[in-house]
Amino acid sequence: SQELEQSPQSLIVQEGKNLTINCTSSKTLYGLYWYKQKYGEGLIFLMMLQKGGEEKSHEKITAKLDEKKQQSSLHITASQPSHAGIYLCGAGVPASKLTFGTGTRLQVTL
Amino acid sequence: EPEVTQTPSHQVTQMGQEVILRCVPISNHLYFYWYRQILGQKVEFLVSFYNNEISEKSEIFDDQFSVERPDGSNFTLKIRSTKLEDSAMYFCASKTSGRNEQFFGPGTRLTVL
Repeated sequence: SQELEQSPQSLIVQEGKNLTINCTSSKTLYGLYWYKQKYGEGLIFLMMLQKGGEEKSHEKITAKLDEKKQQSSLHITASQPSHAGIYLCGAGVPASKLTFGTGTRLQVTL
Repeated sequence: EPEVTQTPSHQVTQMGQEVILRCVPISNHLYFYWYRQILGQKVEFLVSFYNNEISEKSEIFDDQFSVERPDGSNFTLKIRSTKLEDSAMYFCASKTSGRNEQFFGPGTRLTVL
């Protein structure tokens, strides 16, 4: 079965700093999803990557997919307190189940 | 913006009791899913549902679990005889046929005593 490893497990950054979260898959990635979860709440869809080398951005968040390395990275530029939460990567083929990573807990300090 | 809704937000039950968790997926979505997250652990897939039947299920989804789409809007997860280890956050998700992303509801926190 597919396993997704995220690093780091937790991160504390000062407001305004940039940060990167990584997600590495044990198997070929056909679709890689990034979600954000606030503690005890639902998952908010951020973006999905399908093609090798694909890069997507939404506001100050950019995600990239390196198909050869079976890896994706999520980069936040100029972090804000609103970026705090748990970032989850998920993988799966279209219409099928998603397998999720262990999550990265982000705290943004003032 | 349309969203997935779930009720109740929190359910407390005694071990051995039946519970039904309810979800209203986004209206034009055709694929439906249940996931769960035990406190401090990963989000785990339970079951997917399409065209009025289960399309995939995990090892967790044993005979104690069932899903139903009783009408055109609701999607339910039933646990027949709850166990302590069923305590978790249960998430419903839905997806339209034209796009790949799954949209999640806010979850139901199930506590089995």
